[in-house]
Amino acid sequence: AQTVTQSQPEMSVQEAETVTLSCTYDTSENNYYLFWYKQPPSRQMILVIRQEAYKQQNATENRFSVNFQKAAKSFSLKISDSQLGDTAMYFCAFISYNTGNQFYFGTGTSLTVIP
Amino acid sequence: GAGVSQTPSNKVTEKGKYVELRCDPISGHTALYWYRQSLGQGPEFLIYFQGTGAADDSGLPNDRFFAVRPEGSVSTLKIQRTERGDSAVYLCASRAGGTGNEQFFGPGTRLTVL
Repeated sequence: AQTVTQSQPEMSVQEAETVTLSCTYDTSENNYYLFWYKQPPSRQMILVIRQEAYKQQNATENRFSVNFQKAAKSFSLKISDSQLGDTAMYFCAFISYNTGNQFYFGTGTSLTVIP
Repeated sequence: GAGVSQTPSNKVTEKGKYVELRCDPISGHTALYWYRQSLGQGPEFLIYFQGTGAADDSGLPNDRFFAVRPEGSVSTLKIQRTERGDSAVYLCASRAGGTGNEQFFGPGTRLTVL
């Protein structure tokens, strides 16, 4: 079974600063996808960034980038130039390429951006 | 275009009652998922549809939970004999194309069982 672990229940960052959220996962599979989703108080889950495991290059999306370490099974999210609108719960998620029926989510990190 | 919608947004019911939660996916999305999110937790997989059929229902906690998608678009999650432990936010998501594509989530239905 796949598991996803987010060891930081809460984090805070000053506006305009950089913050890194951690995620580790456990799987015996080689082909999979990793995601970071953001969930603001409105409850709507929004995709932040996505990584294919077969790609060595780290994904980037504007102010958001990941540090994907496949051997270490680590997938951290870096948010640069933090903005007040980044305040939300952030969930790391895993889905298998071969048995892609379910997302496995971590327990989330609550990020607060301080003005 | 329209996103995933879920109705009702909130549902309060009494223990033992039957409830139905509705999900309208993005038009043309063949894959549809239901998740349950308890307070302070990440979403937990319940069931996955590919078209009209339930391709994976291994996440349904027991036989009180059932979901349908008769025409391959709208889906209904049905919970019989509700229990207080069923209180949670129920999220629906839909996806176009392959496994690694983005799942688009609805705003969820908050179910409270008194």
